[in-house]
Amino acid sequence: AQSVTQLGSHVSVSEGALVLLRCNYSSSVPPYLFWYVQYPNQGLQLLLKYTSAATLVKGINGFEAEFKKSETSFHLTKPSAHMSDAAEYFCAVSDMIQGAQKLVFGQGTRLTINP
Amino acid sequence: NAGVTQTPKFQVLKTGQSMTLQCAQDMNHEYMSWYRQDPGMGLRLIHYSVGAGITDQGEVPNGYNVSRSTTEDFPLRLLSAAPSQTSVYFCASSYGGRYNEQFFGPGTRLTVL
Repeated sequence: AQSVTQLGSHVSVSEGALVLLRCNYSSSVPPYLFWYVQYPNQGLQLLLKYTSAATLVKGINGFEAEFKKSETSFHLTKPSAHMSDAAEYFCAVSDMIQGAQKLVFGQGTRLTINP
Repeated sequence: NAGVTQTPKFQVLKTGQSMTLQCAQDMNHEYMSWYRQDPGMGLRLIHYSVGAGITDQGEVPNGYNVSRSTTEDFPLRLLSAAPSQTSVYFCASSYGGRYNEQFFGPGTRLTVL
C-alpha cells in the first residue's frame, strides 16, 4: 500500500524567508504525487503534481517541488514567503483500487507566516 | 461553471439523528468521492463512485451510505449520527486515472452532540 509522511505538523517562517515543507512517500510502483493547499474554511486546491515528466515541478503562487527517487521525497519549497501563504498543506500519493483513483494524504502541515 | 458544490456548510445533529450531505459537480466527471478531515489525520476516504450506479467503500465507511443515480450528484447519508462522526466532510470529483487532479468542494462542518 502506498503512504505519505509529512514531517512537521506546524511550520513557522518569517515573511520573505524560504518555505520548506517536507513530504516522503512509500510506493511499490512509480508514484504520482500531489501537493494541495487548504486556506482557512475552504476546500483543497491543487498546488502542483508530479507525473514523471520532470523531476522539478512548478506550481501556482511561486511554489515548486522536486521529486527525488533516491530519497523517496517530494518536498515543497517557495523562495520567499508571503503572508497570503498561511494555510494548511497536504501531500498526497495517487493509488488505484479496482480501477478507481484513490488519493492517500499525509497528515498535513500548517504553515504560519510571521510579519 | 460552479465546480463542486456542497450543502449545507454547517450542521449540528444530536446523537441518533440522520441526515444527508449533498454534493454536486458540473464538470461531467465520472469519479466522485467523499473524505472526512480530522485534526492530525489528513483526509480519509469514506466512499467513492466511478460512475452512475457504481459505488464502493473507502477506508472509513462505517456509519455512512452513498448512492449515485446521476453523474452530477453524490449524496452522503449518515444513518444514525454518533459523536465520532464530528468532522469536516469534503466531496471531490475527477476524470479518474492516477495522474488526474481531484477537485474539492468547500466542505461541510458537522458537529454531533
